[in-house]
Amino acid sequence: DAMVIQNPRYQVTQFGKPVTLSCSQTLNHNVMYWYQQKSSQAPKLLFHYYDKDFNNEADTPDNFQSRRPNTSFCFLDIRSPGLGDAAMYLCATSTGDSPNQPQHFGDGTRLSIL
Amino acid sequence: RKEVEQDPGPFNVPEGATVAFNCTYSNSASQSFFWYRQDCRKEPKLLMSVYSSGNEDGRFTAQLNRASQYISLLIRDSKLSDSATYLCVVNTRRGGYSTLTFGKGTMLLVSP
Repeated sequence: DAMVIQNPRYQVTQFGKPVTLSCSQTLNHNVMYWYQQKSSQAPKLLFHYYDKDFNNEADTPDNFQSRRPNTSFCFLDIRSPGLGDAAMYLCATSTGDSPNQPQHFGDGTRLSIL
Repeated sequence: RKEVEQDPGPFNVPEGATVAFNCTYSNSASQSFFWYRQDCRKEPKLLMSVYSSGNEDGRFTAQLNRASQYISLLIRDSKLSDSATYLCVVNTRRGGYSTLTFGKGTMLLVSP
């Protein structure tokens, strides 16, 4: 049973047209993360929420925003997607209780920009 | 220096071979360490955690040397199904939170 669910699996949008990616979890984990992974590169952390506490990575572009309306859901909003934003976007969760706890990933959303 | 560096790969090995992956990390305050496996166009999946004492899970053995800031993964008796990219992952405490930093990954191709 999927525990971290990302929708949609594939998303196509036009250059400059806002897009929202969604993530939900059934694990009741405190922490939710969004990563961007481009081809042949490591996943790069964009931001994460510890409960409602938002933590943005210093080099995450302003074009990327996130919302976490409740424990189960977290959204990634890309306000004006550029061609360079085409990537796989991965959502992950963890308990946050201990650094030894691994993160659980969703299947990812592959974003294409026309 | 990158936070997490791995062998560039790819590694091409025949079935049954033993293969070793190396990883170094730069932040001495890093607290925990993992190997994840990622299949093509799929999400990363936890393969195993890495402990200072070393740990083994079937054909897979992970080692950690904190003094050298070095992590390794050994795969014995390689199977075709082991073909994937192996990501070295380091958990570092930043302020009140822990975040994962991923290496770029080393691709393994196991051939018949």
